[in-house]
This record gives sequence, structure tokens and C-alpha cells, in this order.
Amino acid sequence: DQQVKQNSPSLSVQEGRISILNCDYTNSMFDYFLWYKKYPAEGPTFLISISSIKDKNEDGRFTVFLNKSAKHLSLHIVPSQPGDSAVYFCAAVLRAGGTSYGKLTFGQGTILTVHP
Amino acid sequence: DGGITQSPKYLFRKEGQNVTLSCEQNLNHDAMYWYRQDPGQGLRLIYYSQIVNDFQKGDIAEGYSVSREKKESFPLTVTSAQKNPTAFYLCASGLPYEQYFGPGTRLTVT
Repeated sequence: DQQVKQNSPSLSVQEGRISILNCDYTNSMFDYFLWYKKYPAEGPTFLISISSIKDKNEDGRFTVFLNKSAKHLSLHIVPSQPGDSAVYFCAAVLRAGGTSYGKLTFGQGTILTVHP
Repeated sequence: DGGITQSPKYLFRKEGQNVTLSCEQNLNHDAMYWYRQDPGQGLRLIYYSQIVNDFQKGDIAEGYSVSREKKESFPLTVTSAQKNPTAFYLCASGLPYEQYFGPGTRLTVT
């Protein structure tokens, strides 16, 4: 049962344009969401996060949007740069109570390629 | 420098052999985690430990074992019972919603 899904395996954009990466989840108990960036043969690095009490969080070129009613979140990168080319994982966690407490659930990842 | 180290970067083993992957952190984190990454499947949790001398199975614990005798160390043993051991293994530490990852170990079993 895939509780967090990234339905687009890959995305290709031109430098300077917007990149939009999408993520859907099924467990309405998740209350915190994160995006990680990963280069080949390296560990993921934290990018940005959002609590379920918010619908938007911004950090420089990166913005995460959360639509709780649709159980959907997205990561916007504006403007996209070639150095942004990597695999992006969304992840969800239940921070307070429940049997899933303490476990990050990851999506399958989306490979972003930004062309110069 | 504070961080998480995993060694070695690449590991090769013959089928039927147990192999232990190292994970060390100097971030003073109580919790540590082991994940496995396969192409197209994201990161899947193998085991996690919230405190020394305690650990819990994750989603895919079969064929793996861990120990947590020291706060800084959380080694993972891939046993011969693991049917598909070839993968990229990632160790992490920190709060569940604030995890820091090591550089990973690529294990190839032939």
C-alpha cells in the first residue's frame, strides 16, 4: 500500500522556467510533509517542509504548497537552474501519536532534469 | 565536522554471506534509521532505533538485523536470508521529521 505517491517518474524543464513536482498521499493522519533532494550515489538532503496547519511555505526559489482536501502537495522551483537536476522525494510523517509515529514515508521520487 | 558516515561506499559480497554495513553519527541524535533505495521505489524503512539498546522493525525488516549498543553507532547486517540484497543502503539520524542522511553504501551481491 503506497501511502505517498509521486506519479511522475521524471520531469524535464528549461533553465529559468518553473519546475513543478507533485506528490499525493492517502493517509489523512499525516501532519508534516517534507521534500528531499538527492544526487546519484549520495544521501538525500532536506530541502523544505510544511506542516498540515499551513498551505504554503517558501524558502528562496523553493515553495511547497499543500492542499489537504485533495491530499496533494507540490514543490515549485522558480527559476529552475541546471544544478537543480536531481531526484526529488516527498515524504510524510505523523508527528503526534499513532502507530506510524516516527516513521517517514517516502514517495518513489521524481527525476528532475533542467536543461541549460 | 558533525555528520553521518557510512562505510564503505561500495561493497561486494558473494551470495550466502552475511555482511555488515557501518553507520556512525556525531550529531548527538537519539534516533537512527536504516533505509533501502531501489530504482523506482523510493526509500523504504528497514529498521529504526529511538534510543540506545532499543530498535524496531520498519516496513521491510526481513533478512536484516541491527544492534544499537552505542548512541553513535547503528550497524546493519544483511543476512543470507535477504532475497534481494543488492541495493543502495542509507542511514539517517535525527527526529522523525528532521532526518539527516549519510552518503550511503552500494551493496552488490553476486
